[in-house]
Amino acid sequence: EDQVTQSPEALRLQEGESSSLNCSYTVSGLRGLFWYRQDPGKGPEFLFTLYSAGEEKEKERLKATLTKKESFLHITAPKPEDSATYLCAVSDSNSGYALNFGKGTSLLVTP
Amino acid sequence: NAGVTQTPKFRVLKTGQSMTLLCAQDMNHEYMYWYRQDPGMGLRLIHYSVGEGTTAKGEVPDGYNVSRLKKQNFLLGLESAAPSQTSVYFCASSYLRQPQHFGDGTRLSIL
Repeated sequence: EDQVTQSPEALRLQEGESSSLNCSYTVSGLRGLFWYRQDPGKGPEFLFTLYSAGEEKEKERLKATLTKKESFLHITAPKPEDSATYLCAVSDSNSGYALNFGKGTSLLVTP
Repeated sequence: NAGVTQTPKFRVLKTGQSMTLLCAQDMNHEYMYWYRQDPGMGLRLIHYSVGEGTTAKGEVPDGYNVSRLKKQNFLLGLESAAPSQTSVYFCASSYLRQPQHFGDGTRLSIL
């Protein structure tokens, strides 16, 4: 049973068309929820950590939010350079030192 | 400041051969991790280390060994490579359980 589920698997947007990526999780004792960006041929690049429901973090055109069951990564007025795979991961009281990763959302922003 | 550096970047092995993947970090992080990333699956933890001289198993440890003789280095070994170990391997490091920072991966093919 997947603990972390990301949707959609793939998303195509036009430049300037805002949207949201979803990460739903089923863990007990959430210690942290992490968002990463991964470009082709590169390692995941850390974006945000969220620790408790109601928390929000922003960076440029990205805003991450957290509820007790899911997190959203909102992308406002995206640009082609925002094209990447976005990964969500959780750390909980049962996972020890591991991060449980979702399979990612592949985002393509066209001019 | 290089962050996390992985060598080699690419490698092709024959079944039964052995090799060692090297990870080096210059951030003075205590924790280091080895993950594998396969198509259609999230990143999965192979082994990790919480300090020099210590190692522990992750989710998928079979067929791999690790060593952490120096704080800045974490080695992943394949004693007898199998085609199922064809994957992209990522090393990460963190200060305690703070967000993990990743290298750019080693792409390993086993024929």
